[in-house]
Amino acid sequence: GQNIDQPTEMTATEGAIVQINCTYQTSGFNGLFWYQQHAGEAPTFLSYNVLDGLEEKGRFSSFLSRSKGYSYLLLKELQMKDSASYLCAVRFSGGYNKLIFGAGTRLAVHP
Amino acid sequence: EPEVTQTPSHQVTQMGQEVILRCVPISNHLYFYWYRQILGQKVEFLVSFYNNEISEKSEIFDDQFSVERPDGSNFTLKIRSTKLEDSAMYFCASTGGRMEGNEQFFGPGTRLTVL
Repeated sequence: GQNIDQPTEMTATEGAIVQINCTYQTSGFNGLFWYQQHAGEAPTFLSYNVLDGLEEKGRFSSFLSRSKGYSYLLLKELQMKDSASYLCAVRFSGGYNKLIFGAGTRLAVHP
Repeated sequence: EPEVTQTPSHQVTQMGQEVILRCVPISNHLYFYWYRQILGQKVEFLVSFYNNEISEKSEIFDDQFSVERPDGSNFTLKIRSTKLEDSAMYFCASTGGRMEGNEQFFGPGTRLTVL
């Protein structure tokens, strides 16, 4: 199957840095997305990686290693509003861009 | 900023009834999707739609489900005879605009409650 694994929960302190990992099946890989989802709301796009390396967008960065089937999302200078679920989603080739989501990592940021 | 819109925000229905969930994708987008998220669970792909036909569907998308693009703007998901287990948040998404690249834009969702 197209399993996507990420930790269920993480906690961190305001102002700190947190790294959320995601592993996926490499066969047919065609891009990886990170979304943020607050409770009861829609996923909102954070980042996209299709080539190896780091993509940086302000306080958020995402890394991809295609050979290892591994990605991480790095959040810097954490704020209370960053408390949310972070969803790793993979697009596999052969489909019309459908996304397969991991179960999400629930991040709690404490003062 | 363009956005995907969905109506209604919350739909309550009796088991066995038909429901239609409505979406207006971002103008100029070419690919449309429905996903669902049962409370506390992951977002699951239901169906993708391109060029006025279903391009892919998941095992969840059985004969009780159908999609339609009745005009140039709306994209609907119909559940013919709802079951208790259809209770979930349903998200519409679109992609394929000339400027936006690869990301899928999600609508705010419709919370469907089947009693």
